[in-house]
Amino acid sequence: KNEVEQSPQNLTAQEGEFITINCSYSVGISALHWLQQHPGGGIVSLFMLSSGKKKHGRLIATINIQEKHSSLHITASHPRDSAVYICAAPLEGGATNKLIFGTGTLLAVQP
Amino acid sequence: EAQVTQNPRYLITVTGKKLTVTCSQNMNHEYMSWYRQDPGLGLRQIYYSMNVEVTDKGDVPEGYKVSRKEKRNFPLILESPSPNQTSLYFCASSLFSANTGELFFGEGSRLTVL
Repeated sequence: KNEVEQSPQNLTAQEGEFITINCSYSVGISALHWLQQHPGGGIVSLFMLSSGKKKHGRLIATINIQEKHSSLHITASHPRDSAVYICAAPLEGGATNKLIFGTGTLLAVQP
Repeated sequence: EAQVTQNPRYLITVTGKKLTVTCSQNMNHEYMSWYRQDPGLGLRQIYYSMNVEVTDKGDVPEGYKVSRKEKRNFPLILESPSPNQTSLYFCASSLFSANTGELFFGEGSRLTVL
């Protein structure tokens, strides 16, 4: 069983829909990153958060460290949001620079 | 422009021929790290470095070496590549550590070992 689980693995949405991607983890972590990877492209950091909520444009990320869960929301989705979204978590304690990754959520937004 | 630069971007090589993938950042970041990405397995950490001359193993370090002699550079060395090291490799950096700031990724290096 992966230490970091993402759901759903695949998601197809219509343009304009509200999208939620979830990340749950079974180990203690000190923070969580949300990353975006376009097909054939590089990886871009969207958020790093250790508590509460962050917003950037149409993207919102939330985390509850105690409940071991984070969500990424996309409001008013657009075809350019089509990408793989990956959560990544530095472990807590003495291993804060070891990163564990979810397997990613492939999002396709259709016009 | 703030960036992480990897070279080469694409490489086809043969088993046993030593190779180095370079990674350089121009942001004066202390933390640098290498990852490989494989279908069905996702991203996995190979090595990371907290500063010059400070390196540590990630989850899949076997078959790889790294060095951090200068703050800006963190090369990944494959002393004797094997076909199971065929993968997409990413280098990343952050100002201090993996849990204190944004991660900046290089564009990736696609390596094929025949």
